[in-house]
Amino acid sequence: DIVMTQTPSSQAVSAGEKVTMSCKSSQSLLYSENKKNYLAWYQQKPGQSPKLLISWASTRESGVPDRFIGSGSGTDFTLTISSVQAEDLAVYYCEQYYDTPYTFGAGTKLELK
Amino acid sequence: EVKLVESGGGLVLPGASLKLSCIVSGFTFSDYWMRWVRQAPGKGLEFIGEIKPDGSKTNYAPSMKGRFTISRDNAKNTLYLQMSSVRSEDTATYYCARSDYGSPYWGQGVMVTVSS
Repeated sequence: DIVMTQTPSSQAVSAGEKVTMSCKSSQSLLYSENKKNYLAWYQQKPGQSPKLLISWASTRESGVPDRFIGSGSGTDFTLTISSVQAEDLAVYYCEQYYDTPYTFGAGTKLELK
Repeated sequence: EVKLVESGGGLVLPGASLKLSCIVSGFTFSDYWMRWVRQAPGKGLEFIGEIKPDGSKTNYAPSMKGRFTISRDNAKNTLYLQMSSVRSEDTATYYCARSDYGSPYWGQGVMVTVSS
């Protein structure tokens, strides 16, 4: 199975701050045929289902604010929130869909400083 | 509007069986792979498995294979998860989701508690 490692596990932030979180995979998620990275980012707020923010490592879903930026390739990926808002406090998960079983990282929890 | 509604959860005894359902509306169910994901209390997300649009193929996480079976009824727009020989470690919220490149649509989840 592909292992997904997210760091940090939690991060205390203030509104307006720039935040970055990391996701590393145990093998490359870049498919050579189409040059796409099979990596998604989700946001999960307490008591809610996960919400897909980004697929293909950097493609924002419709309606997702542009302060959410996905980047990276191969085995190293980053989710950046350019200016954190109060409503962004949540747990963020990365997921690889390069190969089954699809696997998730353990999550990064954003908390208020 | 896309809706996925899970049902069938509750309190179940260790060793028992349980079948979860997920009724889908708002998209052509028979066109899409579908998956089940679970989340133990206070823990992260865990992929259980997925099923091809016509039901002819399934993929499971190795830890789920043998005890969990995913099936679907395209005529009823319904996805199923048959759970057998459940253990306390299976206590979790179970989500159904559309299995695109990532999952853009999720149900609200259904809680399964395994306890004597």
